[in-house]
Amino acid sequence: DTAVSQTPKYLVTQMGNDKSIKCEQNLGHDTMYWYKQDSKKFLKIMFSYNNKELIINETVPNRFSPKSPDKAHLNLHINSLELGDSAVYFCASSHRTGEAFFGQGTRLTVV
Amino acid sequence: AQSVTQPDIHITVSEGASLELRCNYSYGATPYLFWYVQSPGQGLQLLLKYFSGDTLVQGIKGFEAEFKRSQSSFNLRKPSVHWSDAAEYFCAVGAGTGGFKTIFGAGTRLFVKA
Repeated sequence: DTAVSQTPKYLVTQMGNDKSIKCEQNLGHDTMYWYKQDSKKFLKIMFSYNNKELIINETVPNRFSPKSPDKAHLNLHINSLELGDSAVYFCASSHRTGEAFFGQGTRLTVV
Repeated sequence: AQSVTQPDIHITVSEGASLELRCNYSYGATPYLFWYVQSPGQGLQLLLKYFSGDTLVQGIKGFEAEFKRSQSSFNLRKPSVHWSDAAEYFCAVGAGTGGFKTIFGAGTRLFVKA
């Protein structure tokens, strides 16, 4: 009964392709996030959504487009993938001022 | 701007020894503070959190942390480390202005030697 689940867990693709990562949470949280973790383990927030509305966009390239069809889902679409996009992407959710619960991560490798 | 500093990139302790991981934050108001642990290939798991009240907070797996406003610190401690504690530890601050977000430190990698 996974709280925050994201798919796929691994994603290998060529430069220039377009890919999507899906995320779902069953915790009833209002807020969802996407984080990027680079090879040095540094975690940086990319987007934050509250009740399907974009709240935070941390100067992420517009090749990255989050979509929230409902407050339990936050998907991440990436267009024209570049080598530098290789990283682990984490979805998370929280109540508005609470701790974040994280998914298991999606390891994206662009070749 | 909010920020979190974890001065130690990695720490090695012997099994059974005590542990302290350091964390300093920068935030204008009273912060929400968190410690997360990440095992290899896994997501992040919350160890403990501080919102208000008692400055010494207890978490899971025998961890505790103390909030010291005067030092802008939130150090994580454990009296006796187990081999299974080897992981990456992240300190984080929650910022609620303009949309809640959690800002993470760079992490401290804990190695446990037998």
